[in-house]
Amino acid sequence: DAMVIQNPRYQVTQFGKPVTLSCSQTLNHNVMYWYQQKSSQAPKLLFHYYDKDFNNEADTPDNFQSRRPNTSFCFLDIRSPGLGDAAMYLCATSRSYRLAQQETQYFGPGTRLLVL
Amino acid sequence: GQNIDQPTEMTATEGAIVQINCTYQTSGFNGLFWYQQHAGEAPTFLSYNVLDGLEEKGRFSSFLSRSKGYSYLLLKELQMKDSASYLCAVMEGSSNTGKLIFGQGTTLQVKP
Repeated sequence: DAMVIQNPRYQVTQFGKPVTLSCSQTLNHNVMYWYQQKSSQAPKLLFHYYDKDFNNEADTPDNFQSRRPNTSFCFLDIRSPGLGDAAMYLCATSRSYRLAQQETQYFGPGTRLLVL
Repeated sequence: GQNIDQPTEMTATEGAIVQINCTYQTSGFNGLFWYQQHAGEAPTFLSYNVLDGLEEKGRFSSFLSRSKGYSYLLLKELQMKDSASYLCAVMEGSSNTGKLIFGQGTTLQVKP
């Protein structure tokens, strides 16, 4: 059974047209993360939530926003997508900040974003 | 600065053994993870090391030397399905937010 679900799996948008990616989880984890992964590159953390507390990475562009209306759902909003924002967007969850053998981050399948 | 280095690509033969190395320089250290990522799919957890030494899980083993900032993932009895990208990730010591710093991944191709 899928534990971290991302919809859609593939998203096509136009240059400058706002787009929202969604993530849901059935694990009841406190922490939800959003990563951007470009081809053949490392996943790059954009921001994360601990419950409702939002934590933005210093180098995440203002163009990227996030919402977490409840424990299960988290959204990534890209206000004005540029060609450089085409990437795989990965959502991950963890029970807490204390990652260990049994407390790793669980990843969703990702949404591949194409900007035309 | 923070830096995690892995070879970009490796090729091995079905049934053989392959070792994927990872070196890291981070602000402190709170553990190292290895993830497997098949093309177009999510990373899946393989192993975790926080103390020096070898952790074995079936065909996969992972080794850590904190003094050398070095880890490796050892895959034995390679199967075609092991063709994937292998990501090394370090949890920073200065972080109390569960933040992982990922390497760019090593793409492993297993040939018959």
